[in-house]
Amino acid sequence: ETGVTQTPRHLVMGMTNKKSLKCEQHLGHNAMYWYKQSAKKPLELMFVYNFKEQTENNSVPSRFSPECPNSSHLFLHLHTLQPEDSALYLCASSQEYSLSTKNSPLHFGNGTRLTVT
Amino acid sequence: KNEVEQSPQNLTAQEGEFITINCSYSVGISALHWLQQHPGGGIVSLFMLSSGKKKHGRLIATINIQEKHSSLHITASHPRDSAVYICAVGVSGSARQLTFGSGTQLTVLP
Repeated sequence: ETGVTQTPRHLVMGMTNKKSLKCEQHLGHNAMYWYKQSAKKPLELMFVYNFKEQTENNSVPSRFSPECPNSSHLFLHLHTLQPEDSALYLCASSQEYSLSTKNSPLHFGNGTRLTVT
Repeated sequence: KNEVEQSPQNLTAQEGEFITINCSYSVGISALHWLQQHPGGGIVSLFMLSSGKKKHGRLIATINIQEKHSSLHITASHPRDSAVYICAVGVSGSARQLTFGSGTQLTVLP
């Protein structure tokens, strides 16, 4: 049990579908993140929420829409995706939004493996 | 050129061997992280360090700030250590985003 739970684990969707990824953390953290991991590439930060407020949008296309209703839950809404969006989407949390501090390691979920057909 | 470079990209070892994975970076940093990603995809934070050396069980992480280099060592390796090991840095002056390496795929054979 990592403390960060992502659902679903696997998702196959067509380019015209609308789906949502869900992330939940039970660690009492204040910051939550969405990362994208494509094959053979480094992790890419997509969005950061700190105390429910979006503080980073890393030039992500509008077909990805995040939502953070409270500090424990984070969603990623998907619509009209492209095949190149197929990847592993990872959610993470940390105590605070400053990853340089010694007391804020990242805690990751197991990810959602997304395939866009 | 990626600001964080890991070597080797792939590593195969026999059970019991001593393993070293290297990470070099080209920017000023405030912290360096070593992460472990298992085949299922989940990532676990192993170490976060800004100087010196840390040890946890069979894992040892070292960092040399002057040389901009860090190493992750695994002693008495075991097949369950097989995973992707990822180095990530918090860049000084922009410490809110981590910059990740591409990872090292480690396979430990029984």
